[in-house]
Amino acid sequence: GDSVTQMEGPVTLSEEAFLTINCTYTATGYPSLFWYVQYPGEGLQLLLKATKADDKGSNKGFEATYRKETTSFHLEKGSVQVSDSAVYFCALDLASGGSYIPTFGRGTSLIVHP
Amino acid sequence: KAGVTQTPRYLIKTRGQQVTLSCSPISGHRSVSWYQQTPGQGLQFLFEYFSETQRNKGNFPGRFSGRQFSNSRSEMNVSTLELGDSALYLCASSRTRGADEQYFGPGTRLTVT
Repeated sequence: GDSVTQMEGPVTLSEEAFLTINCTYTATGYPSLFWYVQYPGEGLQLLLKATKADDKGSNKGFEATYRKETTSFHLEKGSVQVSDSAVYFCALDLASGGSYIPTFGRGTSLIVHP
Repeated sequence: KAGVTQTPRYLIKTRGQQVTLSCSPISGHRSVSWYQQTPGQGLQFLFEYFSETQRNKGNFPGRFSGRQFSNSRSEMNVSTLELGDSALYLCASSRTRGADEQYFGPGTRLTVT
């Protein structure tokens, strides 16, 4: 079945460091890809998305490019802030026969130190 | 605009009991999805309701059920609770179907003893 694999956390960085969180997927078709973020004590929020190959999603300084050839959707940010500390989830959504089955990765915890 | 609300926020039940969780979506959203989040399994899709009909179902036993009302509010029921049902149950709403633009509630933390 469809699956999403994220790098294990926690990822610990100093403020202003470069961030990469790896995400690869397995899907039988051409899914839409998403990154969600969950701040402490809050629900998940959509961070960015890409719906077709080579699309780049971006929001709040975060970027991710839909790479069909490597089935990847890595999340990057050039300079992280303490306020970016959260859990990040990579997800895919594949339409099949009129149904949508969202599949999420396990989540990667990011801790940013001042 | 008010976000997705879930009640109750915390719940403690005993094995064998049943439980009902409630979710009120954002006004105008017709799709409501439910997820189970645990440290071991991560975030797993339970089911989706759209226009009062269950449209998708994840790989969970029949003890997990749900419904959606005409105002799009949704309830999830778990019967014959097991210890392994202890989890954070998240509800998400969206204007259309699928994971696109889903808005998540804060969750209901269920503990089964």
